[in-house]
Amino acid sequence: ETGVTQSPTHLIKTRGQQVTLRCSSQSGHNTVSWYQQALGQGPQFIFQYYREEENGRGNFPPRFSGLQFPNYSSELNVNALELDDSALYLCASSLGQRNTEAFFGQGTRLTVV
Amino acid sequence: GNSVTQMEGPVTLSEEAFLTINCTYTATGYPSLFWYVQYPGEGLQLLLKATKADDKGSNKGFEATYRKETTSFHLEKGSVQVSDSAVYFCALIPSGGYQKVTFGTGTKLQVIP
Repeated sequence: ETGVTQSPTHLIKTRGQQVTLRCSSQSGHNTVSWYQQALGQGPQFIFQYYREEENGRGNFPPRFSGLQFPNYSSELNVNALELDDSALYLCASSLGQRNTEAFFGQGTRLTVV
Repeated sequence: GNSVTQMEGPVTLSEEAFLTINCTYTATGYPSLFWYVQYPGEGLQLLLKATKADDKGSNKGFEATYRKETTSFHLEKGSVQVSDSAVYFCALIPSGGYQKVTFGTGTKLQVIP
């Protein structure tokens, strides 16, 4: 059984650019959530996908968008990058949208310069 | 809305000392409560959880009891090791609805030999 994997591990982008982050959920999991963790802070919920549909969203602007594919892997897209988007982006997967346990990946460290 | 408050760090302890990290929460109903650990440069690992009042979660010598009357979920360990040095996050998932994990700001623990 493989865990949650994210790619890339590190990324540097320029302000105004667009970025795509990827996540492969743990085998058998159909729910993926994305979190943003700024330096020295706790993770903040961005959104959740269940069976390819977004079914929950945190307080993030529309330039943060996502996709979930039939194999339950997921992408997080961020347009018009801002310096404050620099953070660790974490993906979590679980079985079912109301499951009480989420398994996290190692994260993607995004730096916007 | 839901929120988690945990004691500010950093917490510095000598090896074999007793550890307590305080955590209180605000949420309606009966949320599920968690402690996650984050080692330097890594993602989040689930340390322990409790899904109903008076439950005790435990793992690797760490324990926490779900106290509904005081809305608390304090983390304890009887004898810490250098390898326990990490950032610890208290978190909750609300009852019902989709799975959005709300995290505290994290408490950094440093254990010195």
